[in-house]
Amino acid sequence: SYVLTQPPSVSVAPGQTATITCGGNNIGSKSVHWYQQKPGQAPVLVVYDDSDRPSGIPQRFSGSNSGNTATLTINKVEAGDEADYYCQVSDTTNYHPVFGTATKVTVL
Amino acid sequence: VQLVQSGAEVKKPGASVKVSCEASGYTFITYYMYWVRQAPGQGLEWMGMINPSGGSTNYARRFQGRVTMTRDTSTRTVNMELSSLRSEDTAVYYCARGDCSSTSCRLDHWGQGTPVTVSS
Repeated sequence: SYVLTQPPSVSVAPGQTATITCGGNNIGSKSVHWYQQKPGQAPVLVVYDDSDRPSGIPQRFSGSNSGNTATLTINKVEAGDEADYYCQVSDTTNYHPVFGTATKVTVL
Repeated sequence: VQLVQSGAEVKKPGASVKVSCEASGYTFITYYMYWVRQAPGQGLEWMGMINPSGGSTNYARRFQGRVTMTRDTSTRTVNMELSSLRSEDTAVYYCARGDCSSTSCRLDHWGQGTPVTVSS
């Protein structure tokens, strides 16, 4: 089955940029979605189809995808961005969702 | 769009649990509904999905034989029943609406989650 690999943690100072990677074999050929999950809350979709944002998601959140790595970038990080972030793709054979291993973003 | 799930459950090993998810704010039969669970301190795990239009289902291999997903179009509700519970099934269970293109599905709205505890 398809495997998505994320770094366990990323630390960033307020106002700086957080970069979260999601590695997968030829992931650039797939649509990648990103979710933010704060403690005790349900996940929230923050980026879909590699780089689109749902309504209500700040422009500080952006995404890209090429080759074997997809990336979620959070510009001008705020304390409220502290959360776990998951990438997700759909299996090409059956559209089953595959989730990444999660990255915990800590705001210093 | 709103997905409202049933309340927390405590079950004994070997029992079954049924979690419901009531949808509102959109055309119920237009979107697949997914179920995802999260064990304490762990990541997201997909369990299966149901097409509310015809009721067809697709389950993750590891849950086949233990999970049943159904829907009631009159009440705009989907249900997920998991049987033969064991301690490893202790988790928060989420329903999530799937917005699908020809190649990919994203989960664009989520329920609030239902904690299920399996303990003797």
